[in-house]
Amino acid sequence: GAVVSQHPSWVICKSGTSVKIECRSLDFQATTMFWYRQFPKQSLMLMATSNEGSKATYEQGVEKDKFLINHASLTLSTLTVTSAHPEDSSFYICSARGLRGQVSYEQYFGPGTRLTVT
Amino acid sequence: GQQLNQSPQSMFIQEGEDVSMNCTSSSIFNTWLWYKQDPGEGPVLLIALYKAGELTSNGRLTAQFGITRKDSFLNISASIPSDVGIYFCAGYNFNKFYFGSGTKLNVKP
Repeated sequence: GAVVSQHPSWVICKSGTSVKIECRSLDFQATTMFWYRQFPKQSLMLMATSNEGSKATYEQGVEKDKFLINHASLTLSTLTVTSAHPEDSSFYICSARGLRGQVSYEQYFGPGTRLTVT
Repeated sequence: GQQLNQSPQSMFIQEGEDVSMNCTSSSIFNTWLWYKQDPGEGPVLLIALYKAGELTSNGRLTAQFGITRKDSFLNISASIPSDVGIYFCAGYNFNKFYFGSGTKLNVKP
C-alpha cells in the first residue's frame, strides 16, 4: 500500500509555543491531505482538508488561525499548532489521498503525532 | 454532518472464532473503507469497496458494500491474537471521509 510518514512522532512543548507537524506521502502524489485529531478511545475527528496549492478547508469549530495548514507540494502538508495550550494535547493524524491507477478514493494514514503541551 | 453507526462497540472473543462488525448510515456513500488501528499508531487500510453489492476479501477478512449503499460489514474468520485492535469503518462522499466510532476487538489466546 501507499506510505505516509509523519514527523515528529511525539512532541512535548510548553504552553504558548508553536509546534509544526509534517505529513509526507512517500511513494505517491497526494492531491488531497486530511488532518485529524483523536482523543483517547474515540474516533477520528476531521479538522481540515487541504488540496495542494490552495487554502485548507476547515471543519466547523476548528480555528484556522490556531491550526495553520500548508499544503505546499503534492507530497508535503504541514500542520502548525500556534500558541499551544494544554487542551491542544492530543493525537494528530494526517492522511493522504492520491491517484493509484484509476482509483482516487483510497485514503492512507500517517502513524500519528502525539502532542503534549505542558 | 453524516453519521456512521458502527457496532458492536467492543467484542471479546476466543482465538479461532469468527467476528462480524457493521456500519450503517442514513446517508448514501460512494465508497466504504475499513481500517484497523493499533494503540499509538495511525489507522491502516484493510479493505476498500467501490460498488454497491461488492464483496471483497483480504486474507481472512471479508467486507461487503451494502446494496442500499448505506451500510457495510466486515468479517474476520479464524481470529488470531494479532487481530486485536480497533476497527473503523469509513464512508466517502464529496471529498470527505466520515468515520464510525470504532469496534474494539479483544482476542483471548
